[in-house]
Amino acid sequence: DVKVTQSSRYLVKRTGEKVFLECVQDMDHENMFWYRQDPGLGLRLIYFSYDVKMKEKGDIPEGYSVSREKKERFSLILESASTNQTSMYLCASGGSRWEQFFGPGTRLTVL
Amino acid sequence: LAKTTQPISMDSYEGQEVNITCSHNNIATNDYITWYQQFPSQGPRFIIQGYKTKVTNEVASLFIPADRKSSTLSLPRVSLSDTAVYYCLVVRTSGTYKYIFGTGTRLKVLA
Repeated sequence: DVKVTQSSRYLVKRTGEKVFLECVQDMDHENMFWYRQDPGLGLRLIYFSYDVKMKEKGDIPEGYSVSREKKERFSLILESASTNQTSMYLCASGGSRWEQFFGPGTRLTVL
Repeated sequence: LAKTTQPISMDSYEGQEVNITCSHNNIATNDYITWYQQFPSQGPRFIIQGYKTKVTNEVASLFIPADRKSSTLSLPRVSLSDTAVYYCLVVRTSGTYKYIFGTGTRLKVLA
């Protein structure tokens, strides 16, 4: 079974803090994704990566950056957290573009 | 990229066939259609993907008409455990990659 793990299930941070969300996959997938999920808005793509050190912006990249130094690890960075970044963050990986395997999510609260 | 719209919610009874439709009016030639299932406190799980006509696997069928402006996920003989949120995802597979999730359909299966 594909396993996608995220560093935390719940996280509470203060406004202005730098936040790191880590994601690790064990299937040697080329593609990795970060989404946020909000009630009534569904899942929205923040960034994705199709190879080590490669990244592409999704629909809502503002306020976020990413890092992919190793194939199995994809990090989402909030440079200066704000309250409107309170959300559920979901990481996914996939060998193909359409079949993505999701982690359990990190519920981030920014106070 | 195609904006996707889905019904917000549906109810069904155990043993019935359920059809959930996703509208993606401006779908492009290079776009594929996929569907995901999400249970509470979990990440979405891939169900099925298709390009045109009909695709069937062990859990669902996907119907895509010739104009591809909509797609219908069909779940045969649903059970209580099929209660979940179902998302369609349109994926552009060449050129600039894009991933657009619908806002999801909350299916409730009643005994």
